[in-house]
Formats: sequence, structure tokens, C-alpha cells
Amino acid sequence: DTGVSQNPRHKITKRGQNVTFRCDPISEHNRLYWYRQTLGQGPEFLTYFQNEAQLEKSRLLSDRFSAERPKGSFSTLEIQRTEQGDSAMYLCASSPARGTRGYTFGSGTRLTVV
Amino acid sequence: QKEVEQDPGPLSVPEGAIVSLNCTYSNSAFQYFMWYRQYSRKGPELLMYTYSSGNKEDGRFTAQVDKSSKYISLFIRDSQPSDSATYLCAMIPYGQNFVFGPGTRLSVLP
Repeated sequence: DTGVSQNPRHKITKRGQNVTFRCDPISEHNRLYWYRQTLGQGPEFLTYFQNEAQLEKSRLLSDRFSAERPKGSFSTLEIQRTEQGDSAMYLCASSPARGTRGYTFGSGTRLTVV
Repeated sequence: QKEVEQDPGPLSVPEGAIVSLNCTYSNSAFQYFMWYRQYSRKGPELLMYTYSSGNKEDGRFTAQVDKSSKYISLFIRDSQPSDSATYLCAMIPYGQNFVFGPGTRLSVLP
């Protein structure tokens, strides 16, 4: 296991289309997080899972966004009816159950909505 | 006022210089403080992790936390061109999620 894997690396989509991103965390990590990062800003928290349970969602996560982690392993983030303001880097991170030192980020999926 | 403030730079220094990067914060509940390095088109990677006020050293990197002033710093000694990246401070209250600063873009010129 070489780290947190995210696919695709880049996605260009037309406004109004739906997109789905995938995150494969480090296998022994039971916590998984989604962040959004826009140009010149730090990552902003979107949501987090402990195993398959979605425990927290940011107010940034509008109704058009949905995240799942059906078997407590990989996770998907879907954006419906994309808008130009959704253009950003979507980062996934995973960590062990306790502590913050093992918090590891993936390389992200860069979304461009045209 | 944002919870975490950080000068966005860009900051350009010559190779071998000492670099000082800083963040201020407003939430006294923050207990854990991290510095992340982010290369272009990559995710952030953890550089330093501190809990208490004071200094923590790791190789060429020193992290400093002053909880009374709500101020944290990262010092890089003998900077190298490979240190050119965006440096993000991050902090977390107990049991909650990270809050990141906007990042400082650093260029170390050979």
C-alpha cells in the first residue's frame, strides 16, 4: 500500500453534468476525509467517515454533493449538476482511528467545469 | 476575521537562506499544530507536528508555537531549491477537523 490514491487525477466537465471521484485510503486507516482546495487557498473540510459511517458534513457540502463509503474501504464523492464554482482540487485524506500524526493526503482530483 | 491567517507570499529567497513562515490564529481551542508542504499538483504532506508551546526541531526544520500570542512559525535552515513549494499551517481543536491557513508560496533560488 503506497498511500492514498485518488482517481481520476483530472476531470473536465461541462456545466450541468454529474461527476464522481474515487478515493482509496491507506488500508489500515478507518477514517477518511474529503477536502476542497481552490487556487491560493488551503484545503477546506467537506466531510468525514469513520468506517462506513459519515460522521460530519461541512455546510460547504451543498445538496448537490454526496459522499459514500459503502464498505468502509474506498469512498466516492459525487457532484450533481456541476457549476463553474465547483472548479477546484478535491483532496482525500485518511488516518488511523486515533491521533492526527498519520493523517495522509492523496494527490487530489482537479475538477474544471467549463 | 479568518480563523487562521497566513501571508500568501510569494516569498523568494536565495539558496542557503533561513526562511521564516508564520501563521496567526484566533481560536484558543486549537490544540494541535501542523505544517504541511504542498508541491504543485500534489496533495499536502506533513512536515511537522506540535502540541505544546515551544520549539520542535527536525533536521533543517524548526516549528515554534506560542499559544499565548496565538502564533506559530516554521523555520527552514540552509534552504534548498527543492524546498520550493507552498507551505500550509494547519491546526485542530480536540476531536474536530483540521483548519488550514491559505498557504505561503516559497521559491528558493539557486
